[in-house]
Amino acid sequence: QSALTQPPSASGSPGQSVTISCTGTSSDVGGYNYVSWYQQHPGKAPKLMIYEVNNRPSGVPDRFSGSKSGNTASLTVSGLQAEDEADYYCSSYAGRDTLVFGGGTKLTVL
Amino acid sequence: EVQLLESGGGSVQPGGSLRLSCAASGFTFTSYAMSWVRQAPGKGLEWVSTITGGGGSTYYADSVKGRFTISRDNSRDTLYLQMNSLRAEDTAVYYCAKGIVGAILHTFDIWGQGTMVTVSS
Repeated sequence: QSALTQPPSASGSPGQSVTISCTGTSSDVGGYNYVSWYQQHPGKAPKLMIYEVNNRPSGVPDRFSGSKSGNTASLTVSGLQAEDEADYYCSSYAGRDTLVFGGGTKLTVL
Repeated sequence: EVQLLESGGGSVQPGGSLRLSCAASGFTFTSYAMSWVRQAPGKGLEWVSTITGGGGSTYYADSVKGRFTISRDNSRDTLYLQMNSLRAEDTAVYYCAKGIVGAILHTFDIWGQGTMVTVSS
């Protein structure tokens, strides 16, 4: 159950787009379409932003999108806004009834 | 309103025990798998355990297997986590999380506010 690999930080200016990667293996990200992305503001609980690679829950702006290629999943935030500044975590089903998270990426809106 | 409210956190010595509770409201509790996810201070999220809607199947991370037990009381809409043989590395905020429709443990759409567990002598 090794953690998925995310860049520690990412940044962009308001209005720009930023993409955060999440790299795993063929046993997790590459093997299943069960990648989710969570947003967490300081001191708050995580919030589901994307599930099953590219699905957005009701209420999540369409500025947030997800994709996957091979063993790497990505979260793209378009039209960056100040309130998007937060930590973002990916997760993936890892087989044998287990789930693994990424280490998290701190997104800064410049 | 869909809501999860954790309780039971606190400070405990290494080797001690603690039971966390999570009271659910606003949805049909028995229809959804429920999970515990923890976050050590300043660290990332770590999946801990999951239980199916009926309570018949349970799943654990290797780091807690044999020490933690997840359970639920569907008559009380409450999820539990019994934590035994606690270690310093179990220190974390513990979140209760609801699974989405049709999923057992790969996606959580509702999270509680978390309860802090500190293991220290």
